[in-house]
Amino acid sequence: QQQVKQSPQSLIVQKGGISIINCAYENTAFDYFPWYQQFPGKGPALLIAIRPDVSEKKEGRFTISFNKSAKQFSLHIMDSQPGDSATYFCAASGGTGGFKTIFGAGTRLFVKA
Amino acid sequence: GAVVSQHPSWVICKSGTSVKIECRSLDFQATTMFWYRQFPKQSLMLMATSNEGSKATYEQGVEKDKFLINHASLTLSTLTVTSAHPEDSSFYICSAMGLAGGPSGELFFGEGSRLTVL
Repeated sequence: QQQVKQSPQSLIVQKGGISIINCAYENTAFDYFPWYQQFPGKGPALLIAIRPDVSEKKEGRFTISFNKSAKQFSLHIMDSQPGDSATYFCAASGGTGGFKTIFGAGTRLFVKA
Repeated sequence: GAVVSQHPSWVICKSGTSVKIECRSLDFQATTMFWYRQFPKQSLMLMATSNEGSKATYEQGVEKDKFLINHASLTLSTLTVTSAHPEDSSFYICSAMGLAGGPSGELFFGEGSRLTVL
């Protein structure tokens, strides 16, 4: 119930291409869905987040698509750049868990120059 | 944006010693802080939730006597790994949530602390 399932585990994309990472959740009480970017040896940093009252949120090259009925959300990185190479984590929080954030397993993205 | 500072960023210690890691919110007051542990190429595993002025809430399987958490002020939480052993070697990350956070909200992460126990 508290899990967030993330796929793929790793992703290789050509420079300029679109990177797509998918997540699914079980707990319908979750009300906050952030994506975090983590570079090696660093802490995660918030990239973009969405709440379930909207189906899409775009910030620059990063877009979250949210499907409430399917309990799925995805991150799209347009015009992927080598500097985007990092590990991306989807997450969810809210409901009875309150502030507690549940993280997906992570996706290691490598953008080829 | 809000800044969370973690110190030290890396530490090496001998087996049996205790190590303290500090997590500070530099420009905001954090009512709630979280401590995570991350193994190489794995996700963040929540260890405990600490609220200012009260006892930390530990996740199942996390030894509270091994990992002592103190949240003495609205800007500082500490994690002490007591009697550290090589299996405690890991990347420890804290995060903080500001007073403005609602039922769920943005977390601000520290840079992490790499602990190596010899």
